[in-house]
Amino acid sequence: QVQLQESGSGLVKPSQTLSLTCAVSGGSLSSGGYTWSWIRQPPGKGLEWIGYILPSGSAYYNPSLKSRVTISVDTSKSQFSLRLFSVTAADTAVYYCARGGNVPAAFDIWGQGTMVTVSS
Amino acid sequence: DIQMTQSPSSLSATVGDRVTITCRASQTISVYLNWYQQKPGKAPKVLIYDGSILQSGVPSRFSGSASGTDFTLTISGLQPEDFATYYCQQSYSLPRTFGQGTKVEIK
Repeated sequence: QVQLQESGSGLVKPSQTLSLTCAVSGGSLSSGGYTWSWIRQPPGKGLEWIGYILPSGSAYYNPSLKSRVTISVDTSKSQFSLRLFSVTAADTAVYYCARGGNVPAAFDIWGQGTMVTVSS
Repeated sequence: DIQMTQSPSSLSATVGDRVTITCRASQTISVYLNWYQQKPGKAPKVLIYDGSILQSGVPSRFSGSASGTDFTLTISGLQPEDFATYYCQQSYSLPRTFGQGTKVEIK
């Protein structure tokens, strides 16, 4: 059974860089034709897709964040990572990593989420 | 971007009720609409994918249907564990987008 686990800094200062990693266990990140996404949820609000990466390293980002985000993958470590630059208080949220299918493309496996607060 | 509009934003219901939540896409998304359930402090869980296909392990009281750009999630016989927030999400095109959520509360 594939499981995802987020890790990283829970507190980031304004203008700095948010960095998170999602470890994939119980299965291969490289097989099955899956996409590997980051999704966030500000406190009390809805869900926002940040972007996804393929095992090949090709990444696709939400245009609303594209200028500030990088998603990378390390298949040898079975993990993928998020970097969000120049953060503000508006980036305070629970950040989830999730597996998306190709067909179907629903997010079928999620990490438990990690809260990131942007504050000085 | 494709906008997903859910209604209502919240509803109150009683155990045993039939509950319907609607999601409208701003343009065609074929059948590529997924429904998720989220409980407080937990990650979302997929219930229905591709409009009407029940995810493995999800109770059969959940069902989904589509008509053009309108999609419906129905819970037939609400159970205590169903009180949660429900989100729709389109997987037709990038960026992936979600509805704003529908909170189902106890009456």
